[in-house]
Amino acid sequence: DAKTTQPNSMESNEEEPVHLPCNHSTISGTDYIHWYRQLPSQGPEYVIHGLTSNVNNRMASLAIAEDRKSSTLILHRATLRDAAVYYCILDSNYQLIWGAGTKLIIKP
Amino acid sequence: EPEVTQTPSHQVTQMGQEVILRCVPISNHLYFYWYRQILGQKVEFLVSFYNNEISEKSEIFDDQFSVERPDGSNFTLKIRSTKLEDSAMYFCASSFDRLGNTIYFGEGSWLTVV
Repeated sequence: DAKTTQPNSMESNEEEPVHLPCNHSTISGTDYIHWYRQLPSQGPEYVIHGLTSNVNNRMASLAIAEDRKSSTLILHRATLRDAAVYYCILDSNYQLIWGAGTKLIIKP
Repeated sequence: EPEVTQTPSHQVTQMGQEVILRCVPISNHLYFYWYRQILGQKVEFLVSFYNNEISEKSEIFDDQFSVERPDGSNFTLKIRSTKLEDSAMYFCASSFDRLGNTIYFGEGSWLTVV
């Protein structure tokens, strides 16, 4: 199974950018990279996804390394509402394979 | 914005009883999924469903589990004889297409087996 590695937790100050890293060295050519987040007691929420090129949407940006073995989720200006567990997931063989995620703590 | 809805939000059942968890996926979506999350653990894939049949399933999805789309809107997960270790949050999800598509999750059904 394609796997991802993320730091267990990260802290950031409110209104500052946040860079959440993810390693996926076993990624295969057709695996999409997805990011979801989960707030306490809620279902996972889609953030962004990409294949090879960097992606931007209203929530975040996704920077994908040229060799695709790592990626970084960028929250441009973190707010307290962005405090959640962020999951970097490979869409592999038509299944989302979840890791433990990164708990993002936002300090006011 | 369209959303995936799940019922019940919380169910307590006795070990050995059958449980049915219900989901209404987003109306124009074609792919449906069940995931589960045991308390404090990671989200785990159970099964995906397309064109009225299972397309993929994990090792967790054994003979005790079944899925059904009984009508045009509902998507159900049945656990025939619940075990203590089935206690978890069960998430239903749906997507319009498959590879590389956004998957939308419901808020979950919390199952407690006692």
